[in-house]
Amino acid sequence: EVQLVQSGAEAKKSGESLKISCKGSGYRFTTYWIGWVRQMPGKGLEWMGIIDPSDSQARYSPSFQGQVSISADKSISTAYLQWTSLKASDSAMYYCARLAAGTTSWFDPWGQGTLVTVSS
Amino acid sequence: QSALTQPASVSGSPGQSITISCTGTSRDVGAFDYVSWYQQHPGKAPKLMIYEVSHRPSGASHRFSGSKSGNTASLTISGLQVEDEADYYCTSYTSSSSCVFGTGTKVTVL
Repeated sequence: EVQLVQSGAEAKKSGESLKISCKGSGYRFTTYWIGWVRQMPGKGLEWMGIIDPSDSQARYSPSFQGQVSISADKSISTAYLQWTSLKASDSAMYYCARLAAGTTSWFDPWGQGTLVTVSS
Repeated sequence: QSALTQPASVSGSPGQSITISCTGTSRDVGAFDYVSWYQQHPGKAPKLMIYEVSHRPSGASHRFSGSKSGNTASLTISGLQVEDEADYYCTSYTSSSSCVFGTGTKVTVL
């Protein structure tokens, strides 16, 4: 079974750094791009960026470029989303998902989500 | 890039059909047949319902169908059921080599 399992909920303070993870299983991790999606409380989905785990090539939405960093460690089939200095406005649910067939394709499956809460 | 435009809410009675629109531009929906639709129940991760405008994955009900005309894509739910009550999001690949989600539509079963 293809599965993405994300790291647990995080409670941080403004200015702190954070790295959350997304571990793939049940398939060859380097074959499919992984993406990250933000959902702020009570709001819609936002496409943040994607990464090719085979060479760590990443692409970002203009809205998130420079705000976060997406990386991957293919040796442990894990993708990451990282902040160097969190803001209260980064409080949200973050989902990772697999791009099913290349960069133009759809997300399937999705991880269970990681809730990030940032207090000031 | 701006989010694709969806109606905030759509409702229908059990058994009826409803259609959710997703309006973009000539740089996204109108340019590519890379539109997908996701269903999200409260507190749950999104689930793929339609990909590449009109293709249904094996895990999605046959009551869901998709189409596209110009800059607008549509998701139709036939034979509406109580379990279809959820939020629905479209997404499209864009000419900037990224993707953009729609604003989301809350479906209510009356």
